[in-house]
Amino acid sequence: DIQMTQSPSSLSASVGDRVTITCRASQGISNSLAWYQQKPGKAPKLLLYAASRLESGVPSRFSGSGSGTDYTLTISSLQPEDFATYYCQQYYSTVLTFGGGTKVEIK
Amino acid sequence: QVQLVQSGAEVKKPGASVKVSCKASGYTFTSYDINWVRQATGQGLEWMGWMNPNSGNTGYAQKFQGRVTMTRNTSISTAYMELSSLRSEDTAVYYCARGRVTMVQDVWGKGTTVTVSS
Repeated sequence: DIQMTQSPSSLSASVGDRVTITCRASQGISNSLAWYQQKPGKAPKLLLYAASRLESGVPSRFSGSGSGTDYTLTISSLQPEDFATYYCQQYYSTVLTFGGGTKVEIK
Repeated sequence: QVQLVQSGAEVKKPGASVKVSCKASGYTFTSYDINWVRQATGQGLEWMGWMNPNSGNTGYAQKFQGRVTMTRNTSISTAYMELSSLRSEDTAVYYCARGRVTMVQDVWGKGTTVTVSS
């Protein structure tokens, strides 16, 4: 199975900060990467797919980039509603795998 | 609107089976896969497998092979996930999620809590 390693596992940031989360795959995944946001007690929500395509309705402060094995999720200006846990997921393989998650907390 | 409505919480004893349902509405049920993902308390997301409601074809994560069965009833637009030989480590919230052709999960149910306890 393809292993997905996210970093950091947690971070503290302030409203207005630029935040970057990275995700590394154990092999190349050809941009077959999605990012999800999950708030406590709620189901995950799709933010981006194909590494950089914004899901409909998702604010443009979220962006994604990367290629090969290394990908990033960037929040350009952190808003109060963005404090949550973020997961990457590869769908290059028919066996899907998630990263371990990055919890974004208020500083 | 597009939504997936899951069945209610379950409490099971070790060794028992649980069957969770996921009713789709607002779209053509047979046009999208259904994936199942679980999450133990305080832990990350774990993909369990997928099912194509049109063909009934399935694909399971190796970890769950032999213990999980994903089925559907197209007449009521409902998918099911049955997990057998339950152990305490199976205590988790189980989510169903609609999968696009690419397998990206774009619509999620609210989750079903399954507790395994003697």
